[in-house]
Amino acid sequence: QLQLQESGPGLVKPSETMSLTCTVSGGSISSSTYYWGWIRQPPGKGLEWIGSIYYSGSAYYNPSLKSRVTISVDTSKKQFSLKLNSVTAADTAVYYCAHSGSFYGFDYWGQGTLVTVSS
Amino acid sequence: EIVLTQSPGTLSLSPGERATLSCRASQSVSSSYLNWYQQKPGQAPRLLIYSTSSRATGIPDRFSGSGSGTDFTLTISRLEPEDFAVYYCQRYGSSSFTFGGGTKVEIK
Repeated sequence: QLQLQESGPGLVKPSETMSLTCTVSGGSISSSTYYWGWIRQPPGKGLEWIGSIYYSGSAYYNPSLKSRVTISVDTSKKQFSLKLNSVTAADTAVYYCAHSGSFYGFDYWGQGTLVTVSS
Repeated sequence: EIVLTQSPGTLSLSPGERATLSCRASQSVSSSYLNWYQQKPGQAPRLLIYSTSSRATGIPDRFSGSGSGTDFTLTISRLEPEDFAVYYCQRYGSSSFTFGGGTKVEIK
């Protein structure tokens, strides 16, 4: 059973870069059927897909965030990471990492981590 | 960009009643890549239905999905107390994922 765990700072200053890491256990991060993604949820609001990455390193981003987002994968550490630059208060949200399989739904999720953007 | 519109925004029902949730896409969506999630307060979303109508592992059979093209439906045949939550639809296409805005099912 796959398990995912987000880690990273809970507080980031405006205009800085937010960095989060997701550590995968209970399975391989390198399978060709796996797709790893980041989703966020502002307080009291709905879900927003940020981007996803294939184990090979090919990444795809939400067009609305593409200019500020980088997702990378480190298969040796069984981790994938999110960087979001030039953050503002609007980026305050619970950030989830998740796995999607062949039907492109997110079947395994991390518990989520709250990131607050504030000075 | 395809937009998913869920309706109603809030559904007020009593335990034992039937819930019908709608997800409408602005363009045709592959039924293979239309999925539904349940989210309870303070928890990560849980996959309920994938590929329009297949139940995910461990999901009771009171949950069912249907639809095609631009109109998709999640049905809960008889609401149990643990089913009161927020439900999201989600699609994949052209290397992009999109979520609907959600429907809250609350106790009447």
